[in-house]
Amino acid sequence: RKEVEQDPGPFNVPEGATVAFNCTYSNSASQSFFWYRQDCRKEPKLLMSVYSSGNEDGRFTAQLNRASQYISLLIRDSKLSDSATYLCVVKNNYGQNFVFGPGTRLSVLP
Amino acid sequence: NAGVTQTPKFQVLKTGQSMTLQCAQDMNHEYMSWYRQDPGMGLRLIHYSVGAGITDQGEVPNGYNVSRSTTEDFPLRLLSAAPSQTSVYFCASRTRDRGSAEQYFGPGTRLTVT
Repeated sequence: RKEVEQDPGPFNVPEGATVAFNCTYSNSASQSFFWYRQDCRKEPKLLMSVYSSGNEDGRFTAQLNRASQYISLLIRDSKLSDSATYLCVVKNNYGQNFVFGPGTRLSVLP
Repeated sequence: NAGVTQTPKFQVLKTGQSMTLQCAQDMNHEYMSWYRQDPGMGLRLIHYSVGAGITDQGEVPNGYNVSRSTTEDFPLRLLSAAPSQTSVYFCASRTRDRGSAEQYFGPGTRLTVT
């Protein structure tokens, strides 16, 4: 079983739609959680960290459920520019390394 | 600041050839890492370094060597290229801070081994 798993996608949604991505992780020692965004043929970039109480950054909301080892990302009012692959990432604070999920591709259609 | 730079951007090798992928960062970050990205697999850690003179293996180290003689540079060497090493390679760096969220990635090197 992969350490971080995500919805396989792709998700094709119209502009203005709300879309949710799910992610599960298997290592209960994971302490830090993130969503990265990767545009086609580009490098990954940090979108947002995920905090236990949930957090929001504009149209983006991230949630964490430690008991279920589940992370989500909600995008409201989708824009064409949101089209990208979204990577779920976890890190154990006792280790040095980030573990990346395989990503979920989003296409926002006009 | 240039951030993280990688060269070359593209490379085609024949099976058995060797080469070095270059990575440099100008942010004075202690930690540097090499990943490969394959379709459906996500980024997988090849090797990493927590400071000059210190390197360690990641999830998929076989067939690759690294060294870290300076804080800025972290080259990745392919010893004898194989078709299974066809991939996109990303170098990344971050600060030592355990709470640090962000890794900074280079633009990637697309490698094809024939």
